Amino acid sequence: EAEVAQSPRYKITEKSQAVAFWCDPISGHATLYWYRQILGQGPELLVQFQDESVVDDSQLPKDRFSAERLKGVDSTLKIQPAELGDSAMYLCASSLTRGLGEKLFFGSGTQLSVL
Amino acid sequence: AQSVSQHNHHVILSEAASLELGCNYSYGGTVNLFWYVQYPGQHLQLLLKYFSGDPLVKGIKGFEAEFIKSKFSFNLRKPSVQWSDTAEYFCAVRTNAGKSTFGDGTTLTVKP
Repeated sequence: EAEVAQSPRYKITEKSQAVAFWCDPISGHATLYWYRQILGQGPELLVQFQDESVVDDSQLPKDRFSAERLKGVDSTLKIQPAELGDSAMYLCASSLTRGLGEKLFFGSGTQLSVL
Repeated sequence: AQSVSQHNHHVILSEAASLELGCNYSYGGTVNLFWYVQYPGQHLQLLLKYFSGDPLVKGIKGFEAEFIKSKFSFNLRKPSVQWSDTAEYFCAVRTNAGKSTFGDGTTLTVKP
């Protein structure tokens, strides 16, 4: 079965540094999601793309986080500067469309530790 | 905005015991409901979903869930759990805007 690819798998950085995560969704999936999952909690949506357009970034801390999906395929999530509270698992997911019944396909995530 | 509440944070069962994990959601519009599972060392994957029609839905590995609209609930059940069911289970609600919101998850540990 096709998978959502994410890299890196782990990232350790120091406070105030910049970090970037990459995601390649399943081929043909128009909708891409970035979620943040803090230990003991469920995934929280940060940003949602439909093709190359952002359709929901209401929970994205825009003063330090940015996301792009320039050609409507792969995507990058950036944090600058990183803070201690950003330590979490960052999950990328994709779905064929934005439809009500669509299931999400998740990648393995990037575990970020900010020291 | 929608929200999802899962009642049990950690459940420990012996093999062959029955399982029921609670899930309640809050949203005034049309939703679809999902259960996702994350086995140790693996990524999140779909277990089952409710789209429409029969409120009792069946998923993989003998799991089922019942949508009770009047109670805003979508509880997950399995008559007899196995050691291999040890995992984290997430309930999720999806709206017409294509936004999926997840509960905080329930960790299930099945003792052999």
